[in-house]
Amino acid sequence: EPEVTQTPSHQVTQMGQEVILRCVPISNHLYFYWYRQILGQKVEFLVSFYNNEISEKSEIFDDQFSVERPDGSNFTLKIRSTKLEDSAMYFCASLNRMGNYGYTFGSGTRLTVV
Amino acid sequence: TQLLEQSPQFLSIQEGENLTVYCNSSSVFSSLQWYRQEPGEGPVLLVTVVTGGEVKKLKRLTFQFGDARKDSSLHITAAQPGDTGLYLCAVDSNYQLIWGAGTKLIIKP
Repeated sequence: EPEVTQTPSHQVTQMGQEVILRCVPISNHLYFYWYRQILGQKVEFLVSFYNNEISEKSEIFDDQFSVERPDGSNFTLKIRSTKLEDSAMYFCASLNRMGNYGYTFGSGTRLTVV
Repeated sequence: TQLLEQSPQFLSIQEGENLTVYCNSSSVFSSLQWYRQEPGEGPVLLVTVVTGGEVKKLKRLTFQFGDARKDSSLHITAAQPGDTGLYLCAVDSNYQLIWGAGTKLIIKP
């Protein structure tokens, strides 16, 4: 079964530092997403990415956030200057719109900002 | 903004019992997805329902999409401890998933 792979599984960073969360989506998928889930809260949409550009982004995805697909394989989320409230599980997901409308999620990166 | 309401928020039952959880909205959807999430893990897709009135079965899990495509239910027969988890419904809207808050299910042996 194809998987979405996320690294690292856990990242601890100091407030104000930059972090890059990495994802390898399923190879033939076309749409890529980042979601986050603060402990005990709902899953929240951050951004969707298609054809090498952002399709949609939420209010959470401000200027501190950016995404890249640098090499056709990896899909990264960068947070430029982390805040305490950025602490959450970050999930990458990918989707192939050709018939299957279910998303495949990675197992997440737990980001702890101290 | 579409709002998905899931009920109950929390359910704890004994192994072997049956249960039903619900996902309701005032909006009409072209499709609806059910996911299961375990602590510290990402959501895992269980099923996508597309047609009003559709019933899909996945072993002991039965998913139903309402005739008007505004609501859905998940019924588990003879629940087992391995069914423990957070059950989430979600709908696809403008390139993003809109999530319910989930039903936290605990099956006691």
